[in-house]
Amino acid sequence: GAVVSQHPSRVICKSGTSVKIECRSLDFQATTMFWYRQFPKQSLMLMATSNEGSKATYEQGVEKDKFLINHASLTLSTLTVTSAHPEDSSFYICSALKAAGGPYEQYFGPGTRLTVT
Amino acid sequence: GENVEQHPSTLSVQEGDSAVIKCTYSDSASNYFPWYKQELGKRPQLIIDIRSNVGEKKDQRIAVTLNKTAKHFSLHITETQPEDSAVYFCAARGPILNEKLTFGTGTRLTIIP
Repeated sequence: GAVVSQHPSRVICKSGTSVKIECRSLDFQATTMFWYRQFPKQSLMLMATSNEGSKATYEQGVEKDKFLINHASLTLSTLTVTSAHPEDSSFYICSALKAAGGPYEQYFGPGTRLTVT
Repeated sequence: GENVEQHPSTLSVQEGDSAVIKCTYSDSASNYFPWYKQELGKRPQLIIDIRSNVGEKKDQRIAVTLNKTAKHFSLHITETQPEDSAVYFCAARGPILNEKLTFGTGTRLTIIP
């Protein structure tokens, strides 16, 4: 199988605080993980590509100092939303690339719904 | 960079009929084209994919066709069922295996019982 988990599934935080979201590949190693955000009724917007042991590659327009990504191991990547504001409220989804012995498919986590009050 | 367009944005079909969703891409170097199904509030799930070395792939009621010359690919769902109702996304990826996917804007498919 190829299972990706995300924690937490839902989080409510106050404006100005930071929130950390974890993405784990449970039964495979992922050298590459991706972080997306999705607004209601819209497509997935790639925020950054996370590579194990190196700095993340951010998409144009995404503030790297606001959305901190750490890919410290082959099964874990974290996204920290710093100094969150209400406009950061969104559905954040990670995906992990299963590369070993397979066709390099992306498997998605269940998502984290962030609400900033 | 790659640009993927998807049509239609919404589609309603009678149960039992077929549904077709179409996507076009811009980068001729793209060679991997997955389709994802996303139910409300849930994760996108890969339902079928196709690589540029084949023109068609089928898995039970679902099929995908690819026209490399025209740079478009389509999802076909036959004998639709209510549980097929969801948002469907097409995507494209270039030749580098750990490269990012570029997603289409999505199609909301509603199956009318």
